[in-house]
Amino acid sequence: GENVEQHPSTLSVQEGDSAVIKCTYSDSASNYFPWYKQELGKRPQLIIDIRSNVGEKKDQRIAVTLNKTAKHFSLHITETQPEDSAVYFCAAIGGGSQGNLIFGKGTKLSVKP
Amino acid sequence: DTEVTQTPKHLVMGMTNKKSLKCEQHMGHRAMYWYKQKAKKPPELMFVYSYEKLSINESVPSRFSPECPNSSLLNLHLHALQPEDSALYLCASSQALVGSTDTQYFGPGTRLTVL
Repeated sequence: GENVEQHPSTLSVQEGDSAVIKCTYSDSASNYFPWYKQELGKRPQLIIDIRSNVGEKKDQRIAVTLNKTAKHFSLHITETQPEDSAVYFCAAIGGGSQGNLIFGKGTKLSVKP
Repeated sequence: DTEVTQTPKHLVMGMTNKKSLKCEQHMGHRAMYWYKQKAKKPPELMFVYSYEKLSINESVPSRFSPECPNSSLLNLHLHALQPEDSALYLCASSQALVGSTDTQYFGPGTRLTVL
């Protein structure tokens, strides 16, 4: 089955700096890769996603890149702000018939003012 | 409306109690999910309903019993739980069948404490 590895587990940056979180997946048939942001005590919220027919997607300060050959995808946040502080989860939907969302273990991002 | 709602927000129950968690969505989604999330961990899939039929049961103990009365509602019936079942229980929904690339939208969760 699919396995998703996420690094780093914690990330601390200064306000205004960029943050990069990386994930690798094992199932080459996986075709959908969402990123969720979860603030303390709140629900996971989708912030951006990418499907396997594109290599990069951008939404204001957030971008996701996908390298299908290497089976990895990354989240890039530019000009970080304190309100970006949260736990970020990458996920993949496996190519098998189940299609379950398989999550990485999460990255706790802290943006220091 | 891209909202999934869940009730109650918090629930405290004893090991002999029976309680139910409720989830509702009015987005016309046909797939609904139950996840369990422990502190500092990612959500873990428990059950998936597709077109009101149970599609996936991730080897969840029988003390958790899901029910999908109609396309908008999803319940999780709880009975004889253990303290280790204390967690955040998240409901999610997506537009189409399991196996699609449709986005899953999460509800706010029910914080369950088992005494």
